[in-house]
Amino acid sequence: GQNIDQPTEMTATEGAIVQINCTYQTSGFNGLFWYQQHAGEAPTFLSYNVLDGLEEKGRFSSFLSRSKGYSYLLLKELQMKDSASYLCAPLDSNYQLIWGAGTKLIIKP
Amino acid sequence: DGGITQSPKYLFRKEGQNVTLSCEQNLNHDAMYWYRQDPGQGLRLIYYSQIVNDFQKGDIAEGYSVSREKKESFPLTVTSAQKNPTAFYLCASSPQGEVNEQFFGPGTRLTVL
Repeated sequence: GQNIDQPTEMTATEGAIVQINCTYQTSGFNGLFWYQQHAGEAPTFLSYNVLDGLEEKGRFSSFLSRSKGYSYLLLKELQMKDSASYLCAPLDSNYQLIWGAGTKLIIKP
Repeated sequence: DGGITQSPKYLFRKEGQNVTLSCEQNLNHDAMYWYRQDPGQGLRLIYYSQIVNDFQKGDIAEGYSVSREKKESFPLTVTSAQKNPTAFYLCASSPQGEVNEQFFGPGTRLTVL
């Protein structure tokens, strides 16, 4: 079956760095998306990885290892507004997104 | 401004009533999707449509119905056959192509009393 595994909740301090891990098992693989979702709001796109390696975009970076079925989202210089859920979503062989339950990130001053 | 609209933001219905959630987009996207989100769970795909007058069942289509008569619109009807309809419903759209980010509407929170 298809499975996505992310930590349920993480806590970090304002100004620090946090890494949110995601492991996945899917029927085929066509890349992986990360989305941010604030409570009660819609998810918004953060990144897409299809090749192994690190993609950097400002304070956010995303890493992919296809052979390990593993990705992480790295958030630097944390701000209070980064408090949100972060959703890992690989694309399967049918190009359908398989959504993880998300990691709730709590930022403390 | 281009975007996706869903209305209303909050919706209350009595058990046994059908209810239709609206989703409109002016992004000229071909594909549209309906998801359901429950606390502690990932988004689950209800229905999707890649072209006008065509749609496909997702993982949890039972108790739901959709139509795609216009490119801009993809309404979802939650029927009385849906056993646990109370949830947060999200509509999304994406451009044509297999790998494209999905753009989401603000969502409708449906509560069935």
